[in-house]
Amino acid sequence: DIVMTQSPDSLAVSLGERATINCKSSRSVLYSSNNKNYLAWYQQKPGQPPKLLIYWASTRESGVPDRFSGSGSGTDFTLTISSLQAEDVALYYCQQYYTTPITFGQGTRLEIK
Amino acid sequence: QVQLRESGPGLVKPSETLSLTCTVSGDSGSSGNYFWSWIRQPPGKGLEYIGYIYYTGSTNYNPSLKSRVTMSVDTSKSHFSLKLSSVTAADTAVYYCARGLLQGTYFDYWGQGTLVTVSS
Repeated sequence: DIVMTQSPDSLAVSLGERATINCKSSRSVLYSSNNKNYLAWYQQKPGQPPKLLIYWASTRESGVPDRFSGSGSGTDFTLTISSLQAEDVALYYCQQYYTTPITFGQGTRLEIK
Repeated sequence: QVQLRESGPGLVKPSETLSLTCTVSGDSGSSGNYFWSWIRQPPGKGLEYIGYIYYTGSTNYNPSLKSRVTMSVDTSKSHFSLKLSSVTAADTAVYYCARGLLQGTYFDYWGQGTLVTVSS
C-alpha cells in the first residue's frame, strides 16, 4: 500500500495569513504516461462528509475558492490556503488514487490562532 | 445535482453482517464514467477506503477487508450496497458512500454518512 503522511498534524494560523499543509507519499504517484499526479485534497468540517477541493494535485474543483491551491509532484505535495478565513477551520486530508487500495493521509487539523 | 444517501441499521451485533445501501439521485448510476464507492471513518479517526463497484458489477476491495466485503449494484433502482460480515467493535464507524471518477478515483460527491455501531 502507498502510505500517505501529512504534516503537521495540527496547525494554527491567524485570520488572513497563509496556511500550508504537506503530504508525502511513500512512493511516487506521478503516472509517467500522462504526466499526472494522482493526488487529491479534501476538507472535512465537523459532522460533514469530506469535500473535494483539489484533484490531479493542482486542479481546483468547481466552486472551490481560489485561495485554495495545490502543488507538488512525485512524492511531495502541498495544500496552500493563501488567506485564511474563519470558515476554513476544518480537517484536511490528502488521498492518492495512483493505485489501489486508495489511501488517505491521517489528516491535518487547521485552527485559528 | 447528484445526491447520495446511505441507509441501514445503526446497530449491529458482533459476528453479524453489516448491510448498507446507498441511493443515488441525479445520476443514472449506469454511467460508465464513475465508480460507486464505500469509505469509512471510525469515530475521531481518519478515512479508510473499503472498495468500489462499477455499474457492470466489477469490484475492487481493500485487501485488508476483502475477505469480509461484498458489494452489489442495481442500476435500475439507482442504488448500490455494502455487506461486511463477521463484524467486531473495530468496524464501528461512520460509513460513507461516494462517487469516484473513472478517469482517476477521487471522490466528487459523498453521502452524509451513517454511523454504524457494533455492540451487543
